[in-house]
Amino acid sequence: GAGVSQTPSNKVTEKGKYVELRCDPISGHTALYWYRQSLGQGPEFLIYFQGTGAADDSGLPNDRFFAVRPEGSVSTLKIQRTERGDSAVYLCASSFTGPNTGELFFGEGSRLTVL
Amino acid sequence: GENVEQHPSTLSVQEGDSAVIKCTYSDSASNYFPWYKQELGKRPQLIIDIRSNVGEKKDQRIAVTLNKTAKHFSLHITETQPEDSAVYFCAASKTGNQFYFGTGTSLTVIP
Repeated sequence: GAGVSQTPSNKVTEKGKYVELRCDPISGHTALYWYRQSLGQGPEFLIYFQGTGAADDSGLPNDRFFAVRPEGSVSTLKIQRTERGDSAVYLCASSFTGPNTGELFFGEGSRLTVL
Repeated sequence: GENVEQHPSTLSVQEGDSAVIKCTYSDSASNYFPWYKQELGKRPQLIIDIRSNVGEKKDQRIAVTLNKTAKHFSLHITETQPEDSAVYFCAASKTGNQFYFGTGTSLTVIP
């Protein structure tokens, strides 16, 4: 597809379980971002990849959260020992990093509910 | 890191009136300021952006102004229409870095 694709669109899990959220960015976009959005709030930065490496992971709330992008395209956000406070919409975005560019293209998000 | 503040959190206007949303940022090195519109249950989408080398940009009924000295930027929507009702987010970024978002403004245009 032409846009940013995120799966699953909805995930319900129990407290303490492990979850993976996947993001497939727009082809050719070197930058990939993960954000978390709670109801009524703005997107909260989690981690930013430039190619395969995490350029900035300062937004990850704790060591239960981890993200990878092994081939510089698809990324997976991994959450261990989920807690009820992790419930949110997890947004992925990508951008083409180049001169006079910068627009973020968002996916539809993965809604995570931890019971 | 960057801190972006956005006001007001909610805004109601009559159809045809203007709406103004304001944001401030803390990092003087930020040089790119986009505005995103998010309709209920939808993804945020870019509506207009401005770079630090210009002070104002306009696109039909939407305009953005930037005051680098004061570190604030504003979104102006004129002749508002019901379909403008949504949550609007400002953001700030510097080249090669992540984007920091404001907390959002819920705009309601009353027919």
